[in-house]
Amino acid sequence: DIVMTQTPLSLSVTPGQPASISCKSSQSLLHSDGKTYLYWYLQKPGQSPQLLIYEVSSRFSGVPDRFSGSGSGTDFTLKISRVEAEDVGVYYCMQGIHLLFTFGPGTKVDIK
Amino acid sequence: QLQLQESGPGLVKPSETLSLTCTVSGGSISSSSYYWGWIRQPPGKGLEWIGSIYYSGSTYYNPSLKSRVTISVDTSKNQFSLKLSSVTAADTAVYYCASLRITIFGVVIPWGYWGQGTLVTVSS
Repeated sequence: DIVMTQTPLSLSVTPGQPASISCKSSQSLLHSDGKTYLYWYLQKPGQSPQLLIYEVSSRFSGVPDRFSGSGSGTDFTLKISRVEAEDVGVYYCMQGIHLLFTFGPGTKVDIK
Repeated sequence: QLQLQESGPGLVKPSETLSLTCTVSGGSISSSSYYWGWIRQPPGKGLEWIGSIYYSGSTYYNPSLKSRVTISVDTSKNQFSLKLSSVTAADTAVYYCASLRITIFGVVIPWGYWGQGTLVTVSS
């Protein structure tokens, strides 16, 4: 089984400042088809999770461009260029190689 | 735009079978571009993928739950369902249904649309 880890597990950010979350997988997420099956989600308080990023760096429909994803193999990063109050919640990375999915433990982001 | 809605009992007794249904609107569950999935979240904890199904009936299950999980699809009702047998208190969670899209270019976009979730409590 592929294990996902995230750091930090909690993050307090000043509005307008950048934020970064790291995600590591226990195995490479690069498939033989050349794609890397790493995704990012945000679960705002009291809401269902929402997809932010797919295949490492592609923003889902309607996701602001202050969110960006990068990385390769086993190491990935989600960056928020300028945090806004509406960005609070828990961020999860998820792997989906072979259509079997595992989430990371989540990173709770709040506003200072 | 796709909409998903979970339904089913909010309370299940230990050792019994949890049964939930997800009704899809705004699109056809028989679309060749979509898989359908179940994801759960114990109170105050993280997300766990349970399993996924294609309209043809092809399924993928979380290995840790595989022996207890059955996911099925009813194309006539535009619904898919989850059954989890032999439940214990550890199965108490909010259960979400969600959609996974595969684009014409083969890009996999999992869980782009979610239901609102339904809390299932396992207790006698």
